[in-house]
Amino acid sequence: QQQVKQSPQSLIVQKGGISIINCAYENTAFDYFPWYQQFPGKGPALLIAIRPDVSEKKEGRFTISFNKSAKQFSLHIMDSQPGDSATYFCAASINTGTASKLTFGTGTRLQVTL
Amino acid sequence: EPEVTQTPSHQVTQMGQEVILRCVPISNHLYFYWYRQILGQKVEFLVSFYNNEISEKSEIFDDQFSVERPDGSNFTLKIRSTKLEDSAMYFCTTQGDHNSPLHFGNGTRLTVT
Repeated sequence: QQQVKQSPQSLIVQKGGISIINCAYENTAFDYFPWYQQFPGKGPALLIAIRPDVSEKKEGRFTISFNKSAKQFSLHIMDSQPGDSATYFCAASINTGTASKLTFGTGTRLQVTL
Repeated sequence: EPEVTQTPSHQVTQMGQEVILRCVPISNHLYFYWYRQILGQKVEFLVSFYNNEISEKSEIFDDQFSVERPDGSNFTLKIRSTKLEDSAMYFCTTQGDHNSPLHFGNGTRLTVT
């Protein structure tokens, strides 16, 4: 019940296209849903995050869509650029007051081609 | 922007040896975590640390693992007797308060031979 399922495993998108990565969860106690971007040899970096009281959040070219009833959320990258090529992880957490333990998805390797 | 600093960046050790991974958290952060990532796999939670004690730990975090904040600044992860399967990237993560984002360091690559 703690799992977060992520798809696809890999994605190739042409420059200027839209990249879409999907995640699904089971545990309705999750209350925070971040997306992380990871470049080789680096730690995950927070990209954008959403809480379940909001259905969509947009920051620049990055948008999270959140469907609470379906227990799904997705990341959309508009006008994808070669510099967006990285591994993307969705995650979910429950805030207990003394910890915000993240449960990560399995990652999506995005390649943006010219 | 403040950073979480981890040392060393790469540690090679023999099976059965003890290793200590070190982290300098962002100043004034109160919540500390260790995560690990086996090559090509997802990031996994190991342990959280708040108010000088472990607040939560995963099944991975067995008796071979320990954490401490010995001098009030550095946050360390000790693996007492390393196994081959401990080979992974270990990330230190810190958080200002329990509603703020988690900041990841660049990790320590641990290779156990």
